[in-house]
Amino acid sequence: DAKTTQPNSMESNEEEPVHLPCNHSTISGTDYIHWYRQLPSQGPEYVIHGLTSNVNNRMASLAIAEDRKSSTLILHRATLRDAAVYYCILRVIQGAQKLVFGQGTRLTINP
Amino acid sequence: DVKVTQSSRYLVKRTGEKVFLECVQDMDHENMFWYRQDPGLGLRLIYFSYDVKMKEKGDIPEGYSVSREKKERFSLILESASTNQTSMYLCASSEVGLAARGVSYEQYFGPGTRLTVT
Repeated sequence: DAKTTQPNSMESNEEEPVHLPCNHSTISGTDYIHWYRQLPSQGPEYVIHGLTSNVNNRMASLAIAEDRKSSTLILHRATLRDAAVYYCILRVIQGAQKLVFGQGTRLTINP
Repeated sequence: DVKVTQSSRYLVKRTGEKVFLECVQDMDHENMFWYRQDPGLGLRLIYFSYDVKMKEKGDIPEGYSVSREKKERFSLILESASTNQTSMYLCASSEVGLAARGVSYEQYFGPGTRLTVT
């Protein structure tokens, strides 16, 4: 299974943009890049996903490198409620399409 | 509103007991998953199911079994609970992605069951 590498922790200030990096150098051509986050005492929640092109939704943007070996989750204007553990995950599209979770990045937002 | 529910938020069992963790989803999803989450180890996949009565082992299936008799329900069974199975257990469900169409769907997670085995 392809793996992802993320920094253990990051810190940012409220109302500033946050760029969360992820390396996935062994990604295969059909693996999707998914991002989830987990707030304290809750199950993970979906943030965004993409295959090759950059993606935007109401929560965040996903920038995918041209060679697909890395990606960046962008929170355009962080709030205190964005403090969570963020997981960069590769999803195998064949079979049951299971998620392969990395260790995640613990994001702290300073007021 | 999408919903995945788990039978208990907290559970305390004794070593050797048989434990059932239930998960129900109301989205008519084909895929269902069981993970466990431990500090420093992240989420690890125990078992998953892509259809009724179908199951596949994940990364850490030892000591666990599963049952999926109905599409909406996926049960995780600890045949003889041990202290090293103390953990947070998370259930998830998703639609089936279609590689040919370039479609991948998100997983929806339940709130988790914190199991303590003493």
